[in-house]
Amino acid sequence: DAGVIQSPRHEVTEMGQEVTLRCKPISGHDYLFWYRQTMMRGLELLIYFNNNVPIDDSGMPEDRFSAKMPNASFSTLKIQPSEPRDSAVYFCASSLRLYKRTQYFGPGTRLLVL
Amino acid sequence: GQQLNQSPQSMFIQEGEDVSMNCTSSSIFNTWLWYKQDPGEGPVLLIALYKAGELTSNGRLTAQFGITRKDSFLNISASIPSDVGIYFCAGQLGGYQKVTFGTGTKLQVIP
Repeated sequence: DAGVIQSPRHEVTEMGQEVTLRCKPISGHDYLFWYRQTMMRGLELLIYFNNNVPIDDSGMPEDRFSAKMPNASFSTLKIQPSEPRDSAVYFCASSLRLYKRTQYFGPGTRLLVL
Repeated sequence: GQQLNQSPQSMFIQEGEDVSMNCTSSSIFNTWLWYKQDPGEGPVLLIALYKAGELTSNGRLTAQFGITRKDSFLNISASIPSDVGIYFCAGQLGGYQKVTFGTGTKLQVIP
């Protein structure tokens, strides 16, 4: 079974550009999470979805960040416009609610904003 | 908000030694999780604990859910080089999925 798939694995962009990160959760999982990891702040939950509906976006840093889940097999995290302080590793994770609520993480997207 | 403090922040140990790390919270959790993150990868779940006082093993790893529900610890016995990585604790309240992660313990194993 394929795990959580994220693309791209690496992204380098210039300040002001739009960045779109993509995630395909494990098939059948009904929860999807977006996290950001930095040295300073560790792993932070940005937003999570249940059955494609955003449940808690209180971790989204500001209006420049937006996330969508148009269907059960795809989600995007968009940053527009990007800033150097957005440089981080962004992880997507998914879980199956009925099975003890453990989350499975993707390999992450390493974002560098110059 | 909830805060999870892990200690130590980092440690260097000799191969074959046992390792102990812990995690404390300012508030209670109903689930404690321990993850390991290898360089360049996402965290992978090692052990999940669902009841206060629970002691669970996974090979050379043993974790316990503190009886106060505000702490948890992880032991690794007879460390090997592939144990290198960052270990995260995480706490979760029941009823919904939001997980709070600790600050991580970076483990280095000297062959």
